[in-house]
Amino acid sequence: GAGVSQSPRYKVAKRGQDVALRCDPISGHVSLFWYQQALGQGPEFLTYFQNEAQLDKSGLPSDRFFAERPEGSVSTLKIQRTQQEDSAVYLCASSTHRDAAYEQYFGPGTRLTVT
Amino acid sequence: AQKITQTQPGMFVQEKEAVTLDCTYDTSDPSYGLFWYKQPSSGEMIFLIYQGSYDQQNATEGRYSLNFQKARKSANLVISASQLGDSAMYFCAMREAGGQCRFGAGTRLTVKP
Repeated sequence: GAGVSQSPRYKVAKRGQDVALRCDPISGHVSLFWYQQALGQGPEFLTYFQNEAQLDKSGLPSDRFFAERPEGSVSTLKIQRTQQEDSAVYLCASSTHRDAAYEQYFGPGTRLTVT
Repeated sequence: AQKITQTQPGMFVQEKEAVTLDCTYDTSDPSYGLFWYKQPSSGEMIFLIYQGSYDQQNATEGRYSLNFQKARKSANLVISASQLGDSAMYFCAMREAGGQCRFGAGTRLTVKP
């Protein structure tokens, strides 16, 4: 069956460019999460959607980061005016339910390199 | 504030032996879920086991078990009969009722033949 997919898998951006990272969750999954994982670190929470509502964006590191999920399925994470410190793997995960009890299914990630 | 703590950056275990990976957490929310994930060098995050805050019994999934001590706020992962393929990063995570999910810094497990 189809899992969580992310595109592109790899992105190289020059400092100052804008990038858009896409996440296709598992069909029917209510919850969607974005994480940033720096090399050798654990995933850092960025933001959380329940259907189309962005319920928590407390982890977004600056106002250059913006996420949306307009129809409650596909989500896009946009980073404006990229900086070198934005280089990381961006992970998307989805879950069947809004409850804390349900595991998250992760996509393969997008590796962003800012030069 | 750091909510998930994994104090072991690296662990070694002999093949076929058991190993315990430590995790402590901090929350004031009475309803939460605790998760362990495995991340091999290929990068994918693989769900291993889940423990709910109201669960009375420790969770088990095959060779994985979770030693849940609620009063101490610890949720240690026990891997029995280690295999070479268990070598990976292991992350403990907590999801609170509000939806946020926090991960620890991870423990790199190396299984020696």
